[in-house]
Amino acid sequence: AQKVTQAQTEISVVEKEDVTLDCVYETRDTTYYLFWYKQPPSGELVFLIRRNSFDEQNEISGRYSWNFQKSTSSFNFTITASQVVDSAVYFCALSEGNNFGNEKLTFGTGTRLTIIP
Amino acid sequence: GAVVSQHPSRVICKSGTSVKIECRSLDFQATTMFWYRQFPKQSLMLMATSNEGSKATYEQGVEKDKFLINHASLTLSTLTVTSAHPEDSSFYICSASPWIQETQYFGPGTRLLVL
Repeated sequence: AQKVTQAQTEISVVEKEDVTLDCVYETRDTTYYLFWYKQPPSGELVFLIRRNSFDEQNEISGRYSWNFQKSTSSFNFTITASQVVDSAVYFCALSEGNNFGNEKLTFGTGTRLTIIP
Repeated sequence: GAVVSQHPSRVICKSGTSVKIECRSLDFQATTMFWYRQFPKQSLMLMATSNEGSKATYEQGVEKDKFLINHASLTLSTLTVTSAHPEDSSFYICSASPWIQETQYFGPGTRLLVL
């Protein structure tokens, strides 16, 4: 069975600080996908990134970066120079298989990030 | 990215009534859509997988007779909460994915409050 663990329930940092959100996953499949979604107070989930199990390259998108390490089954998310608009709940998720859009997602419990002005 | 809409965005109903929630993929077709439920300050839990032209697949513990799912077309799936009770009050979110795009896009969610 697949499982996603986000050990950090809540994090608060002062604006402009860097912050890393941890995600650890469990799966028996060799082919799987990992995701990060952002859920602002409005409730809508915003897609941030997708990474497949064969691509361990780290990725940077503006102030966001992701560190995928299969050896530790982790897919951590770092926000540099945090801003108040980054305040939200962030979910890590996993899907198994080829994921042609029809594989269900297993979500972690989420990390509530608060950026203090 | 692809756009998924939900209607209504929020609904308040009396206990015992039925509520229908629509999920539409606006600019793509989706043979599969997913329905999730999220209680306050909790994670998203998959309720069921909606398959166009066939029966939905329900997760363990989800009552299929209470949560009726109809995937009538490649752009529309509906979730009907029958005989709603206060414990059904939750945030219901659907998702869909353009074929072979490997990413699920989520609707804005529907907040259901049963009095």
